[in-house]
Amino acid sequence: AQKVTQAQTEISVVEKEDVTLDCVYETRDTTYYLFWYKQPPSGELVFLIRRNSFDEQNEISGRYSWNFQKSTSSFNFTITASQVVDSAVYFCALSEGPTSGTYKYIFGTGTRLKVLA
Amino acid sequence: ETGVTQTPRHLVMGMTNKKSLKCEQHLGHNAMYWYKQSAKKPLELMFVYNFKEQTENNSVPSRFSPECPNSSHLFLHLHTLQPEDSALYLCASSQAPRGQDGYTFGSGTRLTVV
Repeated sequence: AQKVTQAQTEISVVEKEDVTLDCVYETRDTTYYLFWYKQPPSGELVFLIRRNSFDEQNEISGRYSWNFQKSTSSFNFTITASQVVDSAVYFCALSEGPTSGTYKYIFGTGTRLKVLA
Repeated sequence: ETGVTQTPRHLVMGMTNKKSLKCEQHLGHNAMYWYKQSAKKPLELMFVYNFKEQTENNSVPSRFSPECPNSSHLFLHLHTLQPEDSALYLCASSQAPRGQDGYTFGSGTRLTVV
């Protein structure tokens, strides 16, 4: 069955530290998509990145980077030189391909990141 | 105005009240969704609409009644709710039929049932 596990419930770091948020997924599909979303205190989830299962290249966007490893079924998210504005809940999500005729979209339980000044 | 707008932002209602949540998007997306976010629980998908047609109802109690009059608007009608229905209700939209391209979320309606 499909599953997304974010084992870290809450992480606290001091500003300028690097921090990695872990995401481990389970799926039987060979075609799937992985996502990260950020939920600041205002409430809306903000889309950060999408990765498809055929593209294992790591991605960097400013201070954010993502490490996708199919061998370990992980899609980890690293924030370099964290800032107070990075404080939020971060969700990892999985969208499976249509092997059963319908897509499934599964969110992890989220990791609350607190960046202290 | 952000891509997906939800109103109201906060709602307090009694168990016998009837109220509606509204969601609006002008992104040209074809799919719209209702999610429920309760404390310490994963996001729960409630309903999916594609091209105004409901394509998924995730065993949601009938006291929640969705309506999608067009591709840009989505409502969630509420009646005789229970205190455990208190949660953040999030609306989302996507271009792809099941969000494979990523969702755009609204800011949510924080619902408190008293």
